[in-house]
Amino acid sequence: DTEVTQTPKHLVMGMTNKKSLKCEQHMGHRAMYWYKQKAKKPPELMFVYSYEKLSINESVPSRFSPECPNSSLLNLHLHALQPEDSALYLCASSQKSRPASSQSGDGYTFGSGTRLTVV
Amino acid sequence: QKEVEQDPGPLSVPEGAIVSLNCTYSNSAFQYFMWYRQYSRKGPELLMYTYSSGNKEDGRFTAQVDKSSKYISLFIRDSQPSDSATYLCAMSGAAGNKLTFGGGTRVLVKP
Repeated sequence: DTEVTQTPKHLVMGMTNKKSLKCEQHMGHRAMYWYKQKAKKPPELMFVYSYEKLSINESVPSRFSPECPNSSLLNLHLHALQPEDSALYLCASSQKSRPASSQSGDGYTFGSGTRLTVV
Repeated sequence: QKEVEQDPGPLSVPEGAIVSLNCTYSNSAFQYFMWYRQYSRKGPELLMYTYSSGNKEDGRFTAQVDKSSKYISLFIRDSQPSDSATYLCAMSGAAGNKLTFGGGTRVLVKP
């Protein structure tokens, strides 16, 4: 399995709702990431987990709360979001907080994303 | 000034032509260099990865890194309509735990 699986693919939520995005990988990668991508813009890093511990928080507002229950799963809990938070949320994983290596299957792999709309 | 600069395009080429993409950067600490392809409404797909300076070839794709000039390139030979996508360069420092992306170049390959 060389994929990062994200659910749901689409999510519409109100500003008072609480929802969660889920990400799963079974490549044995020990680093997992959340990125946010607005239309026609590159992805922007939000959080990095390394060996299930939060290692980087790019000054993300507290209405976004990440969680790494185990080495294969990464969640992003959402609460009281604003319409400007509407974006494609991408999960990624890599072997050891490294973006890629020469070994196959050891790369920095992105999921297909969750397209979030806040109304 | 952005850390990584990339021409947004669109770059339109006829089928079979060579597509030439490039990025410049300002942070001399970058050591890992990647190219991603992203189709509309999909996640980025890793195409090429290079560590430090040098060239790497994989099928129709060739990546070049010139650290002295802070310049990286991606060449796509025998381009196909299915290569139409946005191409993102990305790079990181030694820790490798944070990618800095260019803005992406939209490529259109016309049949």
